[in-house]
Amino acid sequence: DIQMTQSPSSLSASVGDRVTITCRASQSISSYLHWYQQKPGKAPKLLIYAASSLQSGVPSRFSGSGSGTDFTLTISSLQPEDFATYYCQQSYSTPLTFGPGTKVDIK
Amino acid sequence: QVQLQESGPGLVKPSETLSLTCTVSGDSISSYYWSWIRQPAGKGLEWIGRLYTSGSTNYNPSLKSRVTMSVDTSKNQFSLKLSSVTAADTAVYYCARQPGSFDYWGQGTLVTVSS
Repeated sequence: DIQMTQSPSSLSASVGDRVTITCRASQSISSYLHWYQQKPGKAPKLLIYAASSLQSGVPSRFSGSGSGTDFTLTISSLQPEDFATYYCQQSYSTPLTFGPGTKVDIK
Repeated sequence: QVQLQESGPGLVKPSETLSLTCTVSGDSISSYYWSWIRQPAGKGLEWIGRLYTSGSTNYNPSLKSRVTMSVDTSKNQFSLKLSSVTAADTAVYYCARQPGSFDYWGQGTLVTVSS
């Protein structure tokens, strides 16, 4: 199985801050890496697919980068609606696996 | 607008079989992979497995011995059966469409395993 790790596990930030979340795979997954945002009581929402492609309707302040084993999700200017938990997920091979999540809350 | 909706019992007794159905609207189920994912309260996401309408399936090895997935193309639905459930199977269960990433999700349904 491909193990996914994320750092940090949580962070506190202010509106307007630039936020960076890192995801690492236990082996190379090329660009088969996706990012999701989840708010309490809601299903996850796809933000970024294939490491760097912005899902339709997602604000451009979200961006993704990386390939191989190391990936980054960046929020260029944090907005109030961005406080949530973020997950990475690999689709390179089954079993499909998610990172443990990064909770972004208000400083 | 693609929509997915999970349905099924919210309470299952230990050792019995959990059965859920996902109804897809706005898209034909005859394309893409379709997955089940679960999330225990306060925890992360676990992929259970996926199926393609050809009948091809992939299951998470951690659950493989207990999981069966099937599809009903006439109803645009796919289903999950998880046998011999325990309290550890208590979770919110989601269905999702998977062209690569999971781009559309159901709202989720809470299944509690308790006597």
